[in-house]
Amino acid sequence: QVQLVQSGAEVKKPGASVKVSCKASGYTFTSYDINWVRQATGQGLEWMGWMNPNSGNTGYAQKFQGRVTMTRNTSISTAYMELSSLRSEDTAVYYCARVPRGSYAPLWGQGTLVTVSS
Amino acid sequence: DIQMTQSPSTLSASVGDRVTITCRASQSISSWLAWYQQKPGKAPKLLIYKASSLESGVPSRFSGSGSGTEFTLTISSLQPDDFATYYCQQYNSYLWTFGQGTKVEIK
Repeated sequence: QVQLVQSGAEVKKPGASVKVSCKASGYTFTSYDINWVRQATGQGLEWMGWMNPNSGNTGYAQKFQGRVTMTRNTSISTAYMELSSLRSEDTAVYYCARVPRGSYAPLWGQGTLVTVSS
Repeated sequence: DIQMTQSPSTLSASVGDRVTITCRASQSISSWLAWYQQKPGKAPKLLIYKASSLESGVPSRFSGSGSGTEFTLTISSLQPDDFATYYCQQYNSYLWTFGQGTKVEIK
């Protein structure tokens, strides 16, 4: 079964970092990009960036440059998104999505709620 | 950056209505546009890609059209399961942008 399974909910304090994982199964992990999208409660979808799991190449939205890092471990078919210097505005559900090179997203993870609160 | 503007932001309609949602790009994106449906607490679901190609398993009452800077998503006969929020997404480059969303509500 082709799927992306994300790690569980996190609660972090302002200034901390969070690392969300996205485990792929049912397909060749290195054949598709992984993109990350977040959604604050009641708000729209916000694209954060992409990663090519084969090369490790990444591209980030300007808004998150310097604060986000996308990595992978190909031996366990898992992608990671780490966001640093967290603030309350980063409270959101974070999604990973499988993307045929630079295109659209037919497959999504279930989402991971990250709450930033003192 | 390419900006995507969706309209309307909210739409009230009845079962059986024909519904049209518009998405405009700030510059030409050829046909590199996708449409998603999202229900509360769920991940987005791909409906349309490359502006007018129907994703496998999506009912044929959904259709997409347009190219360049103006695009539409049409639901030919609104069904109870279609009440949701819809987003457009451009993928002209590896740098995505989403529209702000259109919530389709029951009239």
